[in-house]
Amino acid sequence: DADVTQTPRNRITKTGKRIMLECSQTKGHDRMYWYRQDPGLGLRLIYYSFDVKDINKGEISDGYSVSRQAQAKFSLSLESAIPNQTALYFCATSDVDTEDLYGYTFGSGTRLTVV
Amino acid sequence: GESVGLHLPTLSVQEGDNSIINCAYSNSASDYFIWYKQESGKGPQFIIDIRSNMDKRQGQRVTVLLNKTVKHLSLQIAATQPGDSAVYFCAERNYGGSQGNLIFGKGTKLSVKP
Repeated sequence: DADVTQTPRNRITKTGKRIMLECSQTKGHDRMYWYRQDPGLGLRLIYYSFDVKDINKGEISDGYSVSRQAQAKFSLSLESAIPNQTALYFCATSDVDTEDLYGYTFGSGTRLTVV
Repeated sequence: GESVGLHLPTLSVQEGDNSIINCAYSNSASDYFIWYKQESGKGPQFIIDIRSNMDKRQGQRVTVLLNKTVKHLSLQIAATQPGDSAVYFCAERNYGGSQGNLIFGKGTKLSVKP
């Protein structure tokens, strides 16, 4: 099983719909992140959480919300999806004690298309 | 603002040749740098890292060089293989800010010709 699992892998949704992307990890890491990847723009941080009670906005948080349900679970919601939110979404984890040894561990991504 | 960028968005090399992927960073306070490899349909994977108190680090077929004077990072891949074809990202650690602690470059696509 993957260390960081994202569901769904692919999703097509209509404009205005609410959608949730889920991420779960088995690494026991305390820190979790949601990134968005667009061609030519690299990885941009949406939200991050350093522990269950900690939620922080990233570079591009508008139009998104998150929930850290447990140490192992971090979900990303699009309250009312719009076409320019079509992108590849990645969840990542890290541990405060080993972050400078192994960096972040990424999931396989969710490809979201908003029509 | 602070940024991490790449000199070349695409790089095409012949199988067996050495590859060099470059990255410029702008924050002199960054203390840790990582190279990631992203294959098609997969998430980025850690390749190699280097701390700011080092100027060179070697792994298996990969070497990272850090030049703090000109704020430049490079990834060298020896004897490039078809399996090396991917997008490569550099990242720098710079605490705080809306980009989080790890700031990623935009990526360089490496294509290996057989």
